[in-house]
Amino acid sequence: AQSVAQPEDQVNVAEGNPLTVKCTYSVSGNPYLFWYVQYPNRGLQFLLKYITGDNLVKGSYGFEAEFNKSQTSFHLKKPSALVSDSALYFCAVRVDAGNMLTFGGGTRLMVKP
Amino acid sequence: GAGVSQSPSNKVTEKGKDVELRCDPISGHTALYWYRQSLGQGLEFLIYFQGNSAPDKSGLPSDRFSAERTGGSVSTLTIQRTQQEDSAVYLCASSFRHDRITHSPQFFGPGTRLTVL
Repeated sequence: AQSVAQPEDQVNVAEGNPLTVKCTYSVSGNPYLFWYVQYPNRGLQFLLKYITGDNLVKGSYGFEAEFNKSQTSFHLKKPSALVSDSALYFCAVRVDAGNMLTFGGGTRLMVKP
Repeated sequence: GAGVSQSPSNKVTEKGKDVELRCDPISGHTALYWYRQSLGQGLEFLIYFQGNSAPDKSGLPSDRFSAERTGGSVSTLTIQRTQQEDSAVYLCASSFRHDRITHSPQFFGPGTRLTVL
């Protein structure tokens, strides 16, 4: 069975500083990894995905994520945080033969002016 | 419409009543998913439809939960004899056909917040 861990319930960052939201996964088989963001009272919005190829993937709103197979991690990053980035972030994994996404518990990002 | 729509946005019901939640996927998306988001359990997969294939019901928590998808488009999630632990936000998502090469992302609706009193 696959699982995803987001070790931080909340990450606090000052506006303009770089941000990192951590994600580690456990799967048997090839992992296909996704990041989603959820704003209050809204559904999840797709940010980016890693399927294969370059370990650094770029996504929406200036976000990027780095796939590290040896550390089984897929951390979300942004060079310069905005107050409007404040939201709930979910990491998810889909295994090669599976259909559904398995989500981490979510990390709340708070960006302060 | 441009995105996945769900109705109602909020539903308050009494314990023991049945509820129906509706999902309208993005036009052209053949895959449809239901998830549940609750404080204690996070985001849980419930059920997956792909075209005319038999649905993957492996995530349904009990036989009180069922879902159908008519005409390959609109889906209805039904919860019979609701319990307080069913209170959650029910999210619907759709995508192009699950493809092991491109792994089309799922696009989510705004959810239905269900409160069982």
